Amino acid sequence: QKEVEQDPGPLSVPEGAIVSLNCTYSNSAFQYFMWYRQYSRKGPELLMYTYSSGNKEDGRFTAQVDKSSKYISLFIRDSQPSDSATYLCAANEGYSGGGADGLTFGKGTHLIIQP
Amino acid sequence: AAGVIQSPRHLIKEKRETATLKCYPIPRHDTVYWYQQGPGQDPQFLISFYEKMQSDKGSIPDRFSAQQFSDYHSELNMSSLELGDSALYFCASSSDRTGADTQYFGPGTRLTVL
Repeated sequence: QKEVEQDPGPLSVPEGAIVSLNCTYSNSAFQYFMWYRQYSRKGPELLMYTYSSGNKEDGRFTAQVDKSSKYISLFIRDSQPSDSATYLCAANEGYSGGGADGLTFGKGTHLIIQP
Repeated sequence: AAGVIQSPRHLIKEKRETATLKCYPIPRHDTVYWYQQGPGQDPQFLISFYEKMQSDKGSIPDRFSAQQFSDYHSELNMSSLELGDSALYFCASSSDRTGADTQYFGPGTRLTVL
């Protein structure tokens, strides 16, 4: 079982809708949680990162972490066709893990925004 | 803003050959990570370096080795290549030593082993 689980989709929504993307994780030592966006054959682009539990907002994006339920969410408001991509959640222990800690990724959700 | 640079962007090798991938981190970033992403897969962490020392190790095969140089660039050396090594190889860099360790990814090197 992967330490970070994510529904691969595809998830198809109409333009302007609110998108909800979710992941669950099993490693209680994870402290930092990130969302990356990846277009086909490109490098992952960092969208948001959150430390421990809580919410973080940046423009149309909101990231939420609930450590009690080991649940990670990303909300996209006013979705645009250009948001169509694969969204990867990731987590690590941060430097509390003893070093420059590699990220553990979910499988990624393929999101399609229909014009 | 300057990003992570990887070279070459594409590489074609035969089985049992060797390959060297290069990564140039964002200026003033001192930490480098290597990831492997197979077709339809999520990136898998291979290895990381901080200040030229190996820091964390993931699922890196024994046939692979890596190092970070004094100018902070890094090289991933891959020997005895196998068909299953065909993948996108990403380098990421970071500089946040306070814990967040936000990693910025390069465009990747696409390795094809024939």
